[in-house]
Formats: sequence, structure tokens, C-alpha cells
Amino acid sequence: LAKTTQPISMDSYEGQEVNITCSHNNIATNDYITWYQQFPSQGPRFIIQGYKTKVTNEVASLFIPADRKSSTLSLPRVSLSDTAVYYCLVGGPLKAAGNKLTFGGGTRVLVKP
Amino acid sequence: DAGITQSPRYKITETGRQVTLMCHQTWSHSYMFWYRQDLGHGLRLIYYSAAADITDKGEVPDGYVVSRSKTENFPLTLESATRSQTSVYFCASSESTGGPQPQHFGDGTRLSIL
Repeated sequence: LAKTTQPISMDSYEGQEVNITCSHNNIATNDYITWYQQFPSQGPRFIIQGYKTKVTNEVASLFIPADRKSSTLSLPRVSLSDTAVYYCLVGGPLKAAGNKLTFGGGTRVLVKP
Repeated sequence: DAGITQSPRYKITETGRQVTLMCHQTWSHSYMFWYRQDLGHGLRLIYYSAAADITDKGEVPDGYVVSRSKTENFPLTLESATRSQTSVYFCASSESTGGPQPQHFGDGTRLSIL
């Protein structure tokens, strides 16, 4: 199993960029990296997914270096409503034998006014 | 409303009792998952299912039983509940294509075992 490690918490201010790094040294060739956001009393919600290099959507960017042993979620210009826990998930197609899904422990992001 | 729903939202039971958590999705997604979320452990996969009548173990399957007789339902049963199974349980679903697809999560069931 790919072990994933994230910082436990991060503080930021409104309007700043927040970067959260996930370490996954044992990532397998067919593993993807997916990030989720979770608010209290709710299930996680999909933010972004990537395999290598850079992926960008309307809410975030995901940077994955060539060795793929880490990934960085970037949240541009955060607002108070971005206060949440962010999870990194590493995993490949479940149809392949031995492929499982491994969530990181989550990073609690607090955005201050 | 379309989506994924879990029931009950809260449950208190006693050790040794059997308890079943329900999960229902309206998207006709092939894959469904059960996770438990505990402080200090994040989300850990209990079981998953690739289609009706196809299930497989995740990281922490001991003490749990699942079934998937219909595509839209994926119940999780604790046959003899223990205090260590006190947790928040999340069900999720995803489409099935070549690579891993984003999972859609329910809002969870908070289970307390006394």
C-alpha cells in the first residue's frame, strides 16, 4: 500500500494562496492522486485529480513532480469558506489485483479574516 | 433527489448487538465503498464493491459484512458490535472506467457502541 503523509494543520488568511503537500513515496505506476475537501458533519467532496505534471480546474491546481513521490494541492485566494479538512488519496484502478485506496490523515486548513 | 444517502445518521447500540448501516445511490454507479473515519486515522476503506454480487475487502474488513444484491444498495453489517467499532462511517460511489474515478460520498453515519 502507498503510505500517504500530510501536515496535520495549516493556517492562512483570506486572499492568500494555500499549498498543501502530500508525500507518497511508495506510489505505484498506475496510481492516481486525488484530493478531497471535507466540512464538519459532511462527507468528503472531490476537488481535483491528477497523474503527473499539473492539473488545474476552476477551484484548485494540483502539481505532481516527475518522480510522483509527492503532490501539492494549491488553493488560490482562499476565503473563509475554504476552512475545512483536505485529504489526499492515492490509488489505482480497483480492478487490478492488489490495488487499494489509501487516504492521507488529512490537513486541517483554517482561513482567518 | 438524486445522490447518495446513508441511514441512519446517528445510531447508539450496545456491544454484541448486530447493526446494519444502509447506503443508497441513485446514479447507477458501478462502484460503492464503505469507509470508517477515526481521529488520528483519517479515512480507512472497509469494503468495496465493483458491481452487484461482487465485493472485496479493503484495509480494515474484520468484524464487518457487506452485500450488494442490487446496484443501488450497499448495506454494511456489524454482526457483533464492539466498542472499537465506534466511528463515523461513510459510504461512497463512483463510476467505472479505465482509471480511478472521483468518489461521491454520503454524509455519514455516526455510530456509538456502548
